[in-house]
This record gives sequence, C-alpha cells and structure tokens, in this order.
Amino acid sequence: QSVLTQPPSASGTPGQRVTISCSGSNSNIGTNTVNWYQQIPGTAPKLLIYSNNQRPSGVPDRFSGSKSGTSASLAISGLQSEDEADYYCAAWDDSLMGVFGTGTKVTVL
Amino acid sequence: EVQLVESGGGLVKPGGSLRLSCAASGFTFSDYSMNWVRQAPGKGLEWVSSISLSSNYIYYADSMKGRFTISRDNAKNSLYLQMNSLRAEDTAVYYCARTYCTNGVCYLFVLDSWGQGILVTVSS
Repeated sequence: QSVLTQPPSASGTPGQRVTISCSGSNSNIGTNTVNWYQQIPGTAPKLLIYSNNQRPSGVPDRFSGSKSGTSASLAISGLQSEDEADYYCAAWDDSLMGVFGTGTKVTVL
Repeated sequence: EVQLVESGGGLVKPGGSLRLSCAASGFTFSDYSMNWVRQAPGKGLEWVSSISLSSNYIYYADSMKGRFTISRDNAKNSLYLQMNSLRAEDTAVYYCARTYCTNGVCYLFVLDSWGQGILVTVSS
C-alpha cells in the first residue's frame, strides 16, 4: 500500500509551472532519496528524477525535483501538452521495502 | 538497446499459481538488481519485490511475503516471479524493471528501464 501521499490532481495551462508534492515519513523520505516516475496512460512508467534532483539523460530540464525533511516535490516548468500524464514519487523505506506515492494526474488545460 | 519482455500472465482462479518471466537483453543482466512492480486496473503503482545481482538480497512487499517468490537466472538473462495462493486483489499488470546501477553501485529503488507489462487476472 502507498505510504507516500500526493495530491490526486494538478493542472496548468501551456507554459505555466506546476508543482506536485509528496509527503512521507522519517523511515522513507526522511532518510532515503526520492525518485519520480512519469506514466502516460497505457504505457510503462518512465524514470524522471532520481536521487531527489537528478535527471536521467534525455529528460528535459523543465523537470526538477527537491526534497526537504520528510517531503519532496516535483516541478514542471514551461508545461507542455505532452506532459499530461500520471506522476509518482517513490522512495526506499527502512523497513526494507519500496514505496510509491499515491500518484498525481497532471492535466494540461 | 535495453529490452525487458514479460511473459506468463493470464487468467487464473483464486488460490491458483502463476509464474511470470522477464527476458532481458541489451545489457549485462548480471550487473543489475531487478524488480517487479504491479499496477491494479485504474490504480497506482505498487512495488512487489526486488532481487540483488547474485540473489543475495531479496525483499518483498508485506502483502506478498510467503506467497510470491522472486528469482533470477543470470546465465539465461531472466527474472522470475512465482506467485502462489493468488487472490482477486492480485489482479494487475506486472512490470519487470531494472535498477539503475553504475560503476558497481546500484541505486536502491531507482528503476531506469521497464518492460511493457503483463496482465494477471485472478478470477473464478
């Protein structure tokens, strides 16, 4: 079950900045790094951000991540239509299990 | 090109068993930890299990402990998930995913390549 809490939805117009929050606890985000995944409906997830703020090669610099205490956030600047997708935060938990966030659906208006 | 291809899914009755396979290609399989992640219809992602390079370290989600077994065969470039005592709530698309590893260091729960997923339906 998800132990990382995200808002169910977020939206913006093209060009706007959208931020998604991810709230965890001391046993996961508080002590381990946060990763973010993008999932376009009907396709497999894609790694977007790892180690809190690192972008894999090929991921546009419009995507950025940050972490503070037991929370993290993903920012999408210069929102584009192709950014419409579900976004999940994830972290390893000290109870030796992986945990995903509840997911946030981003809509481009 | 990294490729992960799942197989073995399908319809199974409650209480039944199924074995998923994931065929890996395009990279040195034995250099990477591997994982299974699932997604129930219309729901979010759920981590299932992870296995280290040489199978020395294996982890499971609490709801799968004792019912699911992850394994790998590095000689065959393959990852497996044996699922027993299946329940309706195990119905999901199951993804095979590779852990990001570089210079001999694997980054816990950083899943940099995913298969296309395979559907498992548990129903009578």
